Amino acid sequence: DGGITQSPKYLFRKEGQNVTLSCEQNLNHDAMYWYRQDPGQGLRLIYYSQIVNDFQKGDIAEGYSVSREKKESFPLTVTSAQKNPTAFYLCASMRLEGSGQPQHFGDGTRLSIL
Amino acid sequence: AQSVTQLGSHVSVSEGALVLLRCNYSSSVPPYLFWYVQYPNQGLQLLLKYTTGATLVKGINGFEAEFKKSETSFHLTKPSAHMSDAAEYFCAVRLYYGQNFVFGPGTRLSVLP
Repeated sequence: DGGITQSPKYLFRKEGQNVTLSCEQNLNHDAMYWYRQDPGQGLRLIYYSQIVNDFQKGDIAEGYSVSREKKESFPLTVTSAQKNPTAFYLCASMRLEGSGQPQHFGDGTRLSIL
Repeated sequence: AQSVTQLGSHVSVSEGALVLLRCNYSSSVPPYLFWYVQYPNQGLQLLLKYTTGATLVKGINGFEAEFKKSETSFHLTKPSAHMSDAAEYFCAVRLYYGQNFVFGPGTRLSVLP
């Protein structure tokens, strides 16, 4: 079955450490997105990419970095510059062709500070 | 800027009662509208969407939503709540092709026995 796979499901970060969250999709979608979810705040966009080797900052990009070397993959690195990384991170993808296409989501990665 | 409002961060209903979750958006142009459901520690799952055409949209799990342009609303309803409906529900809009989604803050639905 096609879908979006996020790994790991749980991740712990030590102070000063960079960590990378994986997101892989086999839906052949052009666009991929990373969201941060905090209790009571809904989803906030971190980065997005509509084509390989290109990506754009979202609303809260500071302290995060991404790459898009393959259409299927869009890893997110939470750097040590992100002082409050504890959150639930969601990856999504979407077809760009056609109007009204929905976003499809992975099952998320929960990141905590040790 | 586009915004989405969901009235009530937490809604409680009894099992078998009507579910009504409210969503309003700010736009003079009808956007594409979506409802998603999220169960604990999981991603978002699409319930239904409105793009064009019929304003009453049916989705999965017995949910439906009605687009009302004059009220800039897209409220989600289900005639009879089931315990398995307990989850967080998000309304989202996309104004036009190429624009990113804007999500509402979410409404947590509790279903009481």
